Amino acid sequence: NAGVTQTPKFQVLKTGQSMTLQCAQDMNHNSMYWYRQDPGMGLRLIYYSASEGTTDKGEVPNGYNVSRLNKREFSLRLESAAPSQTSVYFCASSGWDPQTYNEQFFGPGTRLTVL
Amino acid sequence: GDSVTQMEGPVTLSEEAFLTINCTYTATGYPSLFWYVQYPGEGLQLLLKATKADDKGSNKGFEATYRKETTSFHLEKGSVQVSDSAVYFCALKTGANNLFFGTGTRLTVIP
Repeated sequence: NAGVTQTPKFQVLKTGQSMTLQCAQDMNHNSMYWYRQDPGMGLRLIYYSASEGTTDKGEVPNGYNVSRLNKREFSLRLESAAPSQTSVYFCASSGWDPQTYNEQFFGPGTRLTVL
Repeated sequence: GDSVTQMEGPVTLSEEAFLTINCTYTATGYPSLFWYVQYPGEGLQLLLKATKADDKGSNKGFEATYRKETTSFHLEKGSVQVSDSAVYFCALKTGANNLFFGTGTRLTVIP
């Protein structure tokens, strides 16, 4: 049981380049999330997917797109990276199990630097 | 809107000292409250939670009580260890999907 996995762990991009961050979970969770973590600002929600086939904007969606490929996978795409997108990105998932209801499970993060 | 205000760090304590990290919240409705912990180089892990007023969450010697009258959820531990060094995040959840996080408090415990 790997939980939530993210690839890559580290990435350096030049301004204007594109890339996709991958996330997968093996807990049969319905909901998945993408956050960014910046110093002094905690975590902020970029996009979330309440269930397979649906996606919704969070607090800071500009400059990002997402795809809920299937129940397991939720990817985040930067079409034209900007230095302001330098951050640590976390994927999370949550389900309806009564034992863990309301709990989000986080991946290890992707550290992205945009030059 | 919903928000969490968390005690600013960093906090440095000696081993076996008492820890308090303050957290207050603003929310419509009846939020669930959480403390998450992030160890160096890792993602966030749920430390404890409380889903209604007066509930006490506890785990690994840490405790926090959901105080509706003071809109607070302060984290406490009676005797910290070096292994408790991490960043601690207070968070709340009102709707179905979104967690609102505080800015995090870095704790360093020295032997």
